[in-house]
Amino acid sequence: GQSLEQPSEVTAVEGAIVQINCTYQTSGFYGLSWYQQHDGGAPTFLSYNALDGLEETGRFSSFLSRSDSYGYLLLQELQMKDSASYFCAVLVYGQNFVFGPGTRLSVLP
Amino acid sequence: DAGVIQSPRHEVTEMGQEVTLRCKPISGHNSLFWYRQTMMRGLELLIYFNNNVPIDDSGMPEDRFSAKMPNASFSTLKIQPSEPRDSAVYFCASSKLEGDNSYNEQFFGPGTRLTVL
Repeated sequence: GQSLEQPSEVTAVEGAIVQINCTYQTSGFYGLSWYQQHDGGAPTFLSYNALDGLEETGRFSSFLSRSDSYGYLLLQELQMKDSASYFCAVLVYGQNFVFGPGTRLSVLP
Repeated sequence: DAGVIQSPRHEVTEMGQEVTLRCKPISGHNSLFWYRQTMMRGLELLIYFNNNVPIDDSGMPEDRFSAKMPNASFSTLKIQPSEPRDSAVYFCASSKLEGDNSYNEQFFGPGTRLTVL
């Protein structure tokens, strides 16, 4: 079976740094993606890690440890507009994606 | 590019009626995915196509659901007959999956919000 775990909610203040963790158990693994979804909107792609290590894209970074079946999304210099839900998603054999339950991030002024 | 296009954006129907959702993927993409999102169950993959061929439909809830992709630029998801528990936001996404899985980004459409009364 496939399962992903994420915290359901995270709260932080503007300018802070927040880390959203994702652990997974899947049969077959190619890589880990992160998506952002604002209320009423569609998920939008943030990052994809196929190899261990840290990938940085502006204020956002994503980390993967394949041996630990673990990854995280790091958001720096938080802004109000970062308030959204964040989903990790695993690309599994067969080339389909399994999404986590999502983490709702609230950024406070 | 216009991105992934879905229609209708909103659909309200009565139980027992047939519902057809439509999707136009991004030109050049070779994979298309249908998802359903609800508060209770989150984002669920229903079915996906690769080069217009259905690869995995194990996420389709039951026989009332069917999906087709007659060509590279169009796909439909049909529910017949519809039930209140089908109420959800249905997303279509497309991707250009590379053979070595070195890069995988899905582009989501705006979604269709379905309400079955």
